[in-house]
Amino acid sequence: QKEVEQDPGPLSVPEGAIVSLNCTYSNSAFQYFMWYRQYSRKGPELLMYTYSSGNKEDGRFTAQVDKSSKYISLFIRDSQPSDSATYLCAMSDAGNNRKLIWGLGTSLAVNP
Amino acid sequence: DSGVTQTPKHLITATGQRVTLRCSPRSGDLSVYWYQQSLDQGLQFLIQYYNGEERAKGNILERFSAQQFPDLHSELNLSSLELGDSALYFCASSAGHPATEAFFGQGTRLTVV
Repeated sequence: QKEVEQDPGPLSVPEGAIVSLNCTYSNSAFQYFMWYRQYSRKGPELLMYTYSSGNKEDGRFTAQVDKSSKYISLFIRDSQPSDSATYLCAMSDAGNNRKLIWGLGTSLAVNP
Repeated sequence: DSGVTQTPKHLITATGQRVTLRCSPRSGDLSVYWYQQSLDQGLQFLIQYYNGEERAKGNILERFSAQQFPDLHSELNLSSLELGDSALYFCASSAGHPATEAFFGQGTRLTVV
C-alpha cells in the first residue's frame, strides 16, 4: 500500500462547477500538506500549503485537512477551463528535511 | 516562471549511455532537490543538496549521482541508462531545508531508446 493514495481520475466537470479533489494517507506523522497544480509539460507549482489540521482558503481554492481520518481535500469553486491540469497532493513529517511524499495526481478537465 | 532553470528540455539517448542534466536554482535559494516523474510511479524524490552538501537521499539508483557547485547550480548524472530510466526529471529549489516550500523547474524529458 502506498503512503499516499490519490484517485488518478480523469475528472471532467462543466465550467462553474465545484470540484473536490482528495488524498488519503497512512503515516500519522505527516504534518505538512500541500497541493500542487501541474499543467501538461510543466513543473508542479505550489497552490496551497497547510500545517496540521484545519481549513485554508485562497481565492477560489480551499484546502482541508482531517488528521483523524488521514484525509485531505482541495475544493475549487467556480471552476474555469484554465483550471484544467493535474493536481498533486504532497505531504511530509516535521523532520529537518521534510521529504515530500507525493500522490500520483488527479487529472482534471473543466469544459467550457 | 518559477525562476528555476533546467537544461536541456528534451534528451534522447541510447541504452548504456550517460547523460548530465543541469539545474540553476532561483536566485538566493541554497537547496536543490531532484525528482523523477513517471506515469506509474508519480513524483519520486531522488536527492537534495544544501549549499553544496548532500542533505537527503531518496530513491536514487547507484547509477545516478548528483552534485551542487559553489555557484549553487546542480547537475544530475545518469549513467548506464536503461529503457526504464525514461521519465521527466525535475529540479526544485528552496531558500532553506524544508522541501515544502520548493519551486520547480520545467523539467527535462529523457527518452532512452
